[in-house]
Amino acid sequence: DQQVKQNSPSLSVQEGRISILNCDYTNSMFDYFLWYKKYPAEGPTFLISISSIKDKNEDGRFTVFLNKSAKHLSLHIVPSQPGDSAVYFCAASRGTGNTPLVFGKGTRLSVIA
Amino acid sequence: DTGVSQNPRHKITKRGQNVTFRCDPISEHNRLYWYRQTLGQGPEFLTYFQNEAQLEKSRLLSDRFSAERPKGSFSTLEIQRTEQGDSAMYLCASSRRDTEAFFGQGTRLTVV
Repeated sequence: DQQVKQNSPSLSVQEGRISILNCDYTNSMFDYFLWYKKYPAEGPTFLISISSIKDKNEDGRFTVFLNKSAKHLSLHIVPSQPGDSAVYFCAASRGTGNTPLVFGKGTRLSVIA
Repeated sequence: DTGVSQNPRHKITKRGQNVTFRCDPISEHNRLYWYRQTLGQGPEFLTYFQNEAQLEKSRLLSDRFSAERPKGSFSTLEIQRTEQGDSAMYLCASSRRDTEAFFGQGTRLTVV
């Protein structure tokens, strides 16, 4: 039973355009959401997070949007750069983000120059 | 380097052997997590510690798996009588109470 779902295994975007990665969750107890980026042979690297009391959080080129009623969040990367090519994992937790994270299966983003 | 450190990076073992992995967290982090990742999947939670206390274990953690965190510093994850299904990337992460989790580079286990 997948509590966090990333339904797009892969996404290809032209350099300079917007990348939109989507994530859905089923557990209404989740109230803290994170995005991690992973390069091959490395551990996941924290990218950005959002608490359920917000609907948007922005950090430079990265913005996360949360729609609680739809149990949906998305990560926008603008403008996309070739160095953004990686696997992106959506993760969720109960509490402040320090209870164990539940991850989606990831979306592989390829940014084409 | 003050990040999360995991050793070894790679381990190849024969089925039935025991293996042990080590994780050194970021020094001021009191929480330490173990996750497992297989091909095409996201990391799956195994267990976590707050200081030296093991607070939660996933049902993925069979009785062949044991984790310790003596003195609340480094942690070890031991797998006894390894099986081919144990082949995976084992990830360690650490955090303070109010921060996101930082991951190590992982230990890739191959059981042949």
